[in-house]
Amino acid sequence: GDSVTQKQGQVTLSEDDFLFINCTYSTTTYPTLLWYVQYPGQGPQLLLKVTTANNKGISRGFEATYDKGTTSFHLQKASVQESDSAVYFCAFCFNNAGAKLTFGGGTRLTVRP
Amino acid sequence: GGIITQTPKFLIGQEGQKLTLKCQQNFNHDTMYWYRQDSGKGLRLIYYSITENDLQKGDLSEGYDASREKKSSFSLTVTSAQKNEMAVFLCASRNWGRAETLYFGSGTRLTVL
Repeated sequence: GDSVTQKQGQVTLSEDDFLFINCTYSTTTYPTLLWYVQYPGQGPQLLLKVTTANNKGISRGFEATYDKGTTSFHLQKASVQESDSAVYFCAFCFNNAGAKLTFGGGTRLTVRP
Repeated sequence: GGIITQTPKFLIGQEGQKLTLKCQQNFNHDTMYWYRQDSGKGLRLIYYSITENDLQKGDLSEGYDASREKKSSFSLTVTSAQKNEMAVFLCASRNWGRAETLYFGSGTRLTVL
């Protein structure tokens, strides 16, 4: 069945460190790939999306690239800030009327000042 | 802009109790969702509703009922609360044509004693 795997449950970094969160997906065709971010006390919100047409998404300094060969969609940021501390979810969907989003287990990022 | 309001924010129940969670949105969105969030398990879909009067089961529907009373509201019922259960229930909605962008409420935190 369809699934999304985030192997890193928790990541702890210091400010200005490089961020890399691993995500792989499994489905029968090419979906739209997504990263959602959840700040403390809030619901998740869309951070960025990538379709097969554009291959890369960039938002707020975060970047993710669609790799069909390895079915991966890793999230990167060159220099994290304390305000980036949050839970990050990888997800995918298909563009049809009954679209469901399939989410990964989430990665909790803690950035120390 | 719009907002999703979930009530109550905190819900404490007893084992075997029937508990109802409510969600209201003023985006005028067609599709609404209920997700369950457990630490390390990501977001798992319980029920969703594509339009008013529609109900679709997600992967985690056993033990739950849902009701789409009108376009703006979507309720979830825990039919028999399980002892020591603790989770956050998130309601979300989206536009018909924007499959990737879910707008989430801030959640209802359930604790079962």
